[in-house]
Amino acid sequence: DTEVTQTPKHLVMGMTNKKSLKCEQHMGHRAMYWYKQKAKKPPELMFVYSYEKLSINESVPSRFSPECPNSSLLNLHLHALQPEDSALYLCASSLHLRADYEQYFGPGTRLTVT
Amino acid sequence: AQKVTQAQTEISVVEKEDVTLDCVYETRDTTYYLFWYKQPPSGELVFLIRRNSFDEQNEISGRYSWNFQKSTSSFNFTITASQVVDSAVYFCALSEARPAGRRALTFGSGTRLQVQP
Repeated sequence: DTEVTQTPKHLVMGMTNKKSLKCEQHMGHRAMYWYKQKAKKPPELMFVYSYEKLSINESVPSRFSPECPNSSLLNLHLHALQPEDSALYLCASSLHLRADYEQYFGPGTRLTVT
Repeated sequence: AQKVTQAQTEISVVEKEDVTLDCVYETRDTTYYLFWYKQPPSGELVFLIRRNSFDEQNEISGRYSWNFQKSTSSFNFTITASQVVDSAVYFCALSEARPAGRRALTFGSGTRLQVQP
């Protein structure tokens, strides 16, 4: 089973709202990732967790707050977003945080900020 | 710094044609890994292949084949007898073994492939 699930599939939120994106995998992977993808662009790395600890933060604004409650679950808490934050948010996982391990991606959450 | 270039922004072919997607990379590391991912309209990136820098053997998987040439820093992807289901955006990506702890994927800009019936 190489499945990464993400909820919700679509999300519309106002600039003053607080919402969360959820990602789950049951492949025993110990590295989990958040990416942001704008239309017609490649995914941009936001955060990486390795063994439930934040390993990489790509200078993401504090209105995005990641959380890794356990090895299977990854959340992205959203607060006071801007319209330019509208994008496809992709979660991925890999067995370990190593260059030779492929990442498995979820279907993404399409976020619209109004 | 690592960089991946996919010069073809969009390719349109008719079903059953062969098509090659180009990928050129830059890295200073001697140990690195190259990947291809497919992103259909549904949005999910699907892993297709991984190649390490020490293995220049070409690979074939069904209608898909990959040509890795270190001499030209290229890792091209060919689809033989294309089908409408191959329509997607294809990303080439690179990860370097060093620095330790970094190991993030660098994606190319992607090539949108449209296969017409």
